[in-house]
Amino acid sequence: DIVMTQSPDSLAVSLGERATINCKSSQSVLFSSNNKNYLGWYQQKTGQPPKLLIYWASTRDSGVPDRFSGSGSGTDFTLTISSLQAEDVAIYYCQQFYSTPFTFGPGTRVDIK
Amino acid sequence: VQLQQWGAGLLKPSETLSLTCAVYGGSFTDYYWSWIRQPPGGGLEWIGEINHRGSTNYNPSLKSRVTISLDTSKNQFSLQLTSVTAADTAVYYCARSTVTIPWGNWGQGTLVTVSS
Repeated sequence: DIVMTQSPDSLAVSLGERATINCKSSQSVLFSSNNKNYLGWYQQKTGQPPKLLIYWASTRDSGVPDRFSGSGSGTDFTLTISSLQAEDVAIYYCQQFYSTPFTFGPGTRVDIK
Repeated sequence: VQLQQWGAGLLKPSETLSLTCAVYGGSFTDYYWSWIRQPPGGGLEWIGEINHRGSTNYNPSLKSRVTISLDTSKNQFSLQLTSVTAADTAVYYCARSTVTIPWGNWGQGTLVTVSS
């Protein structure tokens, strides 16, 4: 299985400031045939299902604000919220869909400082 | 597309968990249909998936107890998990993905509690 790790476990950021979450996979999730990283980021608010924010490591899903961006390749990835808003308080998960069993990171809790 | 799920929320140990997810506003073709669970206060675990042809993939950690099936005439897919224990207590979600794009559509979630 591909093991996903995230750092930090939690962070508190002032409104309007940048939040950065790191994700590492135990093996590369770069698909050589199409040069895409099979890495997604999800946002989960309390009592709700996860919401897909980003797939292929850096492609925003439809309707996702452009303050959310993803970067990285191979085994190391980053989710950045450029200007934190109150509605961004949530747990964020990375997930690999390179190979089954698909696996998630343990999550990073983002709060307002 | 909307996914609406239902099933029994309280089970006793050794019983079989059974959940169904209905798909509204979309077809089954070209998609994968998954079940994912989340224990209270915990992380996310992929249980398995089925495609429109009925081909399945299961998480090896649950494979011996899991069956995912499809009813294309009703636009529904289902999860069965046998011999449940307290460790199976979780919110269970159904979700839709494609071959290259992960789960962009989710059901509302069903809390299943296993308790004697």
